[in-house]
Amino acid sequence: DQQVKQNSPSLSVQEGRISILNCDYTNSMFDYFLWYKKYPAEGPTFLISISSIKDKNEDGRFTVFLNKSAKHLSLHIVPSQPGDSAVYFCAARDDKIIFGKGTRLHILP
Amino acid sequence: DAGVIQSPRHEVTEMGQEVTLRCKPISGHDYLFWYRQTMMRGLELLIYFNNNVPIDDSGMPEDRFSAKMPNASFSTLKIQPSEPRDSAVYFCASSLGGNSPLHFGNGTRLTVT
Repeated sequence: DQQVKQNSPSLSVQEGRISILNCDYTNSMFDYFLWYKKYPAEGPTFLISISSIKDKNEDGRFTVFLNKSAKHLSLHIVPSQPGDSAVYFCAARDDKIIFGKGTRLHILP
Repeated sequence: DAGVIQSPRHEVTEMGQEVTLRCKPISGHDYLFWYRQTMMRGLELLIYFNNNVPIDDSGMPEDRFSAKMPNASFSTLKIQPSEPRDSAVYFCASSLGGNSPLHFGNGTRLTVT
């Protein structure tokens, strides 16, 4: 039973537009959420995080939104750039960190 | 800082053979994690250690899998005997704990024929 779900396996976005990646979770005990980015043949790298006591965290072009009542978080990338093409993993923590299956983002020229 | 170092990068072996994956965490990190990535299940947590002690191994698929951390700078994940369904990319990660993020190695791609 997946506790962290990324329902879109892939997403294509035009360069310069906004990319929105979504994530749902089922465990209300999660207190910290993270997004990781992964290029082929490399390990995932940390991108941005948010505590459960907040609803928004911004870092440059990346913003994460958390809706606790809906058990939903999203990652916004604006403007999208070619180097953003990668697999994005949503992750959540109670006593350990659980990852979703990932969403492959393609930035189109 | 060299980051988390995993070896080998690729491993091809025959069914029934023993496989040992190795990991060197970032110096000073108290937590070490082993994850497995497959198309079907994404990134699954297999086991994690705190201060060299296994804390949660509930993700280890079966008794064929074992992990050790004999000291703060080295961990192994062993599969004996290996099976074709073990084919995956295995990642090691380390962290300082708390809200500090995980730092991943580049993974070991295991193929069992």
